[in-house]
Amino acid sequence: KNQVEQSPQSLIILEGKNCTLQCNYTVSPFSNLRWYKQDTGRGPVSLTIMTFSENTKSNGRYTATLDADTKQSSLHITASQLSDSASYICVVPGDNQGGKLIFGQGTELSVKP
Amino acid sequence: GAGVSQSPSNKVTEKGKDVELRCDPISGHTALYWYRQSLGQGLEFLIYFQGNSAPDKSGLPSDRFSAERTGGSVSTLTIQRTQQEDSAVYLCASSLFTHSYEQYFGPGTRLTVT
Repeated sequence: KNQVEQSPQSLIILEGKNCTLQCNYTVSPFSNLRWYKQDTGRGPVSLTIMTFSENTKSNGRYTATLDADTKQSSLHITASQLSDSASYICVVPGDNQGGKLIFGQGTELSVKP
Repeated sequence: GAGVSQSPSNKVTEKGKDVELRCDPISGHTALYWYRQSLGQGLEFLIYFQGNSAPDKSGLPSDRFSAERTGGSVSTLTIQRTQQEDSAVYLCASSLFTHSYEQYFGPGTRLTVT
């Protein structure tokens, strides 16, 4: 069964600290993996899209890694800010056309002052 | 428009009534997607369109749910004979094409069935 699992379910960190969120997937065939940020009451916003040939991709203070062999990805947030408080969702297409996305349950990150 | 828009933003309806949710994708985007996010749950794929056709309808929860897209632009998600378990936020997204292209999400429609 195609699945995307994330850990931890929730995380509380102090402003300025770093953190790493994990994503494991069992989707096959694999084409790409996406990380989204969803603020409360808003739609998700894309942070990165990584294909199977990419190991690392950065977007400002966000760095995503991908190991297609072990089917694991991580999202590292550097020097966290209060505005980073949100749900971070790992997503993998579940079909060859890339239209049917399979979402992880998300990691709820709370950055405290 | 600047982004994906959805209407209404909030909808309260009585159990058994039909509802229509609307999505206006970003101009020029050929792919359009519908998702559902129930309270405390992750996003659930419902259906996507490439142009006006829907290659995969397997995510629709029941035959009470239907969606259409006309003119390769606006899409409507219809829920007939609503049930309380239909209460959720319904999100629409669009992308230039499917495959690896980034999806842009709308703000969602919060549906409450009483």
